[in-house]
Amino acid sequence: ETVLTQSPATLSLSPGERATLSCRASQSVDSYLAWYQQKPGQAPRLLIYDASNRATGIPARFSGSGSGTDFTLTISSLEPEDFAFYYCQQRKNWPPITFGQGTRLEIK
Amino acid sequence: VHLLESGGGLVQPGGSLRLSCAASGFSLSNYAMNWVRQAPGKGLEWVSTMRSSGDDTRYTDSVKGRFTISRDNSKNTLYLQMNSLRAEDTAVYYCAKVAISSSWDIFFDGWGQGTLVTVSS
Repeated sequence: ETVLTQSPATLSLSPGERATLSCRASQSVDSYLAWYQQKPGQAPRLLIYDASNRATGIPARFSGSGSGTDFTLTISSLEPEDFAFYYCQQRKNWPPITFGQGTRLEIK
Repeated sequence: VHLLESGGGLVQPGGSLRLSCAASGFSLSNYAMNWVRQAPGKGLEWVSTMRSSGDDTRYTDSVKGRFTISRDNSKNTLYLQMNSLRAEDTAVYYCAKVAISSSWDIFFDGWGQGTLVTVSS
């Protein structure tokens, strides 16, 4: 099973700041990594797929990078609506499809 | 694209439930369909996937032999039959659609609102 480890567990920032979230895989997943945003009481929303491709309708301030075992989700300038949980997910080595444990992005 | 889950509720350990996921705006048979769950206050956990052709299904180890994914194309509805339920199956269950039709590229661009399953005596 490919374990995804996200860091930090919690990130405290202010609107307008830059957010950098990390996802590390226990073995290579090539570029088969996605990122999701989830707000309390809501379903997840796809942000990035295949490491760096923005999903339809996702603002340009969201970007993804990385390959192999190390990946980054960057939010260039935080908007109030960006404070949420973020999860990475791999599809290279499955089953099982695996998710990271999540990063909580909170307002400082 | 709209996905609407139903069928959740309170069930005793060892009991059964069948979840449904009614799809609209697209045909289920064109996409690999999935169940993903989230225990209270926890992260996301993949449960099961059915290929668009319907002839290939996959499960996470903890539900193999207990859960069955299926679909009814005439009703455009996905199901998850859950038997021998355990306390650790307590979660919100989401159905999720993959992004690319007829593909086995499993990432999820459409989600339902979820249905809560509580396993408790």
